[in-house]
Amino acid sequence: DAGVTQSPTHLIKTRGQQVTLRCSPKSGHDTVSWYQQALGQGPQFIFQYYEEEERQRGNFPDRFSGHQFPNYSSELNVNALLLGDSALYLCASSGRGTIYFGEGSWLTVV
Amino acid sequence: AQSVTQLDSQVPVFEEAPVELRCNYSSSVSVYLFWYVQYPNQGLQLLLKYLSGSTLVKGINGFEAEFNKSQTSFHLRKPSVHISDTAEYFCAVSGTGGGADGLTFGKGTHLIIQP
Repeated sequence: DAGVTQSPTHLIKTRGQQVTLRCSPKSGHDTVSWYQQALGQGPQFIFQYYEEEERQRGNFPDRFSGHQFPNYSSELNVNALLLGDSALYLCASSGRGTIYFGEGSWLTVV
Repeated sequence: AQSVTQLDSQVPVFEEAPVELRCNYSSSVSVYLFWYVQYPNQGLQLLLKYLSGSTLVKGINGFEAEFNKSQTSFHLRKPSVHISDTAEYFCAVSGTGGGADGLTFGKGTHLIIQP
């Protein structure tokens, strides 16, 4: 049984560009959350998707948007990238009160 | 709103010694509590969680934690650490929405095991 899978694992973008990160939840999980983890910090909650809708959002600007597909997989989109967006982006899927994290996507903005 | 404070950014411990990593939280509602471990360049792995019931929670790799509601704490302990326990440890809290609430994390504690 595959856990939470994320792609790509690493990527480099230029300021002002747009990026899309992808996540497939653990089998049987219907809720996907995204977190940003800057270097040396704890993860920060970006938003959560359930039944293809954004259910909860953290303190992130509208440049951060997402989508959930009928198969529960999800995308995180970030527009107009800033240097400060460089971080590890973690996807988490949840079901029955347990939350599992993927290995993350490392984004470097130059 | 919730917040989590991990009181130590770094904890050095000798191998086979006991360790306690401290975590305090603040919340206006009932909470679920979690400890995660992150090894270098990896994602987060759940060590243990408190949802309800017994305040002493046992997790993987010999770790345990005790929920103290009056002191709003959820300290993580291990009686004897191993070199392989070297990692970053995060305490996290969520509301009791059954997975509908995002997690609020502390800044992490780096556990350094010295031979």
